[in-house]
Amino acid sequence: GNSVTQMEGPVTLSEEAFLTINCTYTATGYPSLFWYVQYPGEGLQLLLKATKADDKGSNKGFEATYRKETTSFHLEKGSVQVSDSAVYFCALSDTGTASKLTFGTGTRLQVTL
Amino acid sequence: KAGVTQTPRYLIKTRGQQVTLSCSPISGHRSVSWYQQTPGQGLQFLFEYFSETQRNKGNFPGRFSGRQFSNSRSEMNVSTLELGDSALYLCASGQDNYGYTFGSGTRLTVV
Repeated sequence: GNSVTQMEGPVTLSEEAFLTINCTYTATGYPSLFWYVQYPGEGLQLLLKATKADDKGSNKGFEATYRKETTSFHLEKGSVQVSDSAVYFCALSDTGTASKLTFGTGTRLQVTL
Repeated sequence: KAGVTQTPRYLIKTRGQQVTLSCSPISGHRSVSWYQQTPGQGLQFLFEYFSETQRNKGNFPGRFSGRQFSNSRSEMNVSTLELGDSALYLCASGQDNYGYTFGSGTRLTVV
């Protein structure tokens, strides 16, 4: 079956540091890949997505590239801010729509001044 | 444009009772998906409804059921509640492969 593996958290960084959150996946076929972010007490917000190999998703300074050869979709940001503190979820969908997502366990990011 | 609205935000129920949660999707979205989020199991897909029909189903027991109305609003029902059903229940609506929009969730506590 499908699965998503994320690096364990929490990840603690100083403001303006470089962020990488690793994500690898197992799936049949060619899934679509997503990053969602969850702030305390809220639901999930779509951060970025990629639907085919070598696609790069980007939003709000975050980027992730769909690497089929390494089955990875690592999240990066060049300079994090305190406001980026949240839980980040990597997810995949193999249904042709994003209606049925398989999520990773989430990685908590804490950014300090 | 209004987002996905879930009601109620919080619920406390007793073991053995049943509960109904509601989700109003973004206007124009015909697909609604439900997820359960717990500290131990993370985010798990429950089911998806599209145009009043269940289109996808996750691996949950039959105590978990759902339905969708003609206006795309959806409800999920959990019967014979167990302590392990305590969770944040999230619904999401969408209409294409861009990505679904999630509501803020209903936090269910079973005592």
